[in-house]
Amino acid sequence: GQQLNQSPQSMFIQEGEDVSMNCTSSSIFNTWLWYKQDPGEGPVLLIALYKAGELTSNGRLTAQFGITRKDSFLNISASIPSDVGIYFCAGMEGAQKLVFGQGTRLTINP
Amino acid sequence: NAGVTQTPKFQVLKTGQSMTLQCAQDMNHEYMSWYRQDPGMGLRLIHYSVGAGITDQGEVPNGYNVSRSTTEDFPLRLLSAAPSQTSVYFCASRYKMLDSQETQYFGPGTRLLVL
Repeated sequence: GQQLNQSPQSMFIQEGEDVSMNCTSSSIFNTWLWYKQDPGEGPVLLIALYKAGELTSNGRLTAQFGITRKDSFLNISASIPSDVGIYFCAGMEGAQKLVFGQGTRLTINP
Repeated sequence: NAGVTQTPKFQVLKTGQSMTLQCAQDMNHEYMSWYRQDPGMGLRLIHYSVGAGITDQGEVPNGYNVSRSTTEDFPLRLLSAAPSQTSVYFCASRYKMLDSQETQYFGPGTRLLVL
């Protein structure tokens, strides 16, 4: 099946720093999604992207749908302690099937 | 709205036992899915449904059965549990709005240990 490569696998940063992570695929997706998962909970949708080249923001979060439709990027500006968690990218196949990346674990030192 | 609910939260099974993981949503979403999450592997799709009476296999369907008799409920059945099915299971429901805005909600998860 489809594989998404998400990087980096983990990040250790200082509070206030900006964060960047990305996902690449060997195949094209029509929709890219970014989720955040807190310990012991299910993923929560952060941003959804529908068009190649689209740049969408949600507060301090900005995500982009790559022009080739095979990649996506998520940036977090001015990180705060509540940003800690695992971030997942996901590409949608057809109308329902989501393929997830392996996740990026974000740790923030105060 | 309660959103997506899953029961039980935790379960320990012996190899060969059967059980059903329950999932319910009260948002009238057409699409529902089951995922399993293993360390370092993200979430993998087990089965999904695009409406009552319609189900299909995902990436890792072996060892699991599903049914969708109502819009609200989407149970996942393990017929003969194996240690390889030790995982965290998430149910999700989804509704795509007319202007293409995505809405998908995950339940809190069921942690399953098979001994």
